[in-house]
Amino acid sequence: DQQVKQNSPSLSVQEGRISILNCDYTNSMFDYFLWYKKYPAEGPTFLISISSIKDKNEDGRFTVFLNKSAKHLSLHIVPSQPGDSAVYFCAANYGGATNKLIFGTGTLLAVQP
Amino acid sequence: DAGITQSPRHKVTETGTPVTLRCHQTENHRYMYWYRQDPGHGLRLIHYSYGVKDTDKGEVSDGYSVSRSKTEDFLLTLESATSSQTSVYFCAISPGGADTQYFGPGTRLTVL
Repeated sequence: DQQVKQNSPSLSVQEGRISILNCDYTNSMFDYFLWYKKYPAEGPTFLISISSIKDKNEDGRFTVFLNKSAKHLSLHIVPSQPGDSAVYFCAANYGGATNKLIFGTGTLLAVQP
Repeated sequence: DAGITQSPRHKVTETGTPVTLRCHQTENHRYMYWYRQDPGHGLRLIHYSYGVKDTDKGEVSDGYSVSRSKTEDFLLTLESATSSQTSVYFCAISPGGADTQYFGPGTRLTVL
């Protein structure tokens, strides 16, 4: 049973436009959400996070939105750049001491020059 | 980049052989984690450690064991490798249990 779902395996966007990556979750006990970016043959790198007490968090070109009633979060990248081309993973955890992350299956973003 | 290395980076082995993967950190972080990445599954937690000699299971721990005798090293052992354990293995570290996790470069393991 997939508790964190990324239903779009891939997304293609033109350089300079907005990229919107989506993530849905089923467990209302999740209280912290993260986005990781992964290039081929490298480990995931942390991008941005959001606590369940917020509905938006912004860091430069990256903004994460959280809609708790819909159990949905999204990552917006504006403007998109070719270097943003990577796999993006959404992750969630219950908080507390152990920080066990539950990951989605990932979305491959291709930004076309 | 967080100071995390994994060794080996690539390994091919045969079914039934034991395999040990090593994660080494220079950050003195308390928490260390082992994940595997497979198509259609994202990353799944195998085991984690919250201190020297303190470990616990993740969601896909069957067939794996871990050990942590020093803060800087976290070992993942496949006692008898199976083809279903062919995967990319990532180590991660965090200073505290509720902190952001930082990942190593990964080990690609192929079990024939």
